[in-house]
Amino acid sequence: GQNIDQPTEMTATEGAIVQINCTYQTSGFNGLFWYQQHAGEAPTFLSYNVLDGLEEKGRFSSFLSRSKGYSYLLLKELQMKDSASYLCAVRLNTGGFKTIFGAGTRLFVKA
Amino acid sequence: DSGVTQTPKHLITATGQRVTLRCSPRSGDLSVYWYQQSLDQGLQFLIQYYNGEERAKGNILERFSAQQFPDLHSELNLSSLELGDSALYFCASSVGAGASNEKLFFGSGTQLSVL
Repeated sequence: GQNIDQPTEMTATEGAIVQINCTYQTSGFNGLFWYQQHAGEAPTFLSYNVLDGLEEKGRFSSFLSRSKGYSYLLLKELQMKDSASYLCAVRLNTGGFKTIFGAGTRLFVKA
Repeated sequence: DSGVTQTPKHLITATGQRVTLRCSPRSGDLSVYWYQQSLDQGLQFLIQYYNGEERAKGNILERFSAQQFPDLHSELNLSSLELGDSALYFCASSVGAGASNEKLFFGSGTQLSVL
């Protein structure tokens, strides 16, 4: 089956750096996404990786290792507004494209 | 604002009933995706339509059905509702059929409560 694992919750301090890990076991891998979802709101796109390596976008970076089925999202200079759920998602090509999501990691940023 | 419109925002109904959720994609987007999000689970992929045709299917129950109309809006029909169907239902859209780098734009969701 298709499986995506990420930690349920993490806590970090304002101004610090946090790394949220994601491992996946899937067939038909076609790209990995990270989305941010504030409580009660819709998910919004953060980053995309399809090749191995690091993609940097401002305070957020995302890394992918396809051979290890592993990705992480790195958030720097944490702000209180970064308190949200972070969803790891994998796009699959299994005779049709579909994007499946992990259960999400709830990040709490404390002062 | 993602540009994806979902109605209604909230829906309260009873077990055994049938409801219809509606989604209008962003202007220019041809694909519509439906997801279910329960409190204890992540986003569960239900189904995708591209330009009016079903493209991919996830764990969608037989009691659920969907379609995409010529004007590209989509409807998700949920019938014989059970308590466990209570969840937040999201619609998302993308430009094409789901090429690898296409990101999804999500609507604000419909909160369904089955009592």
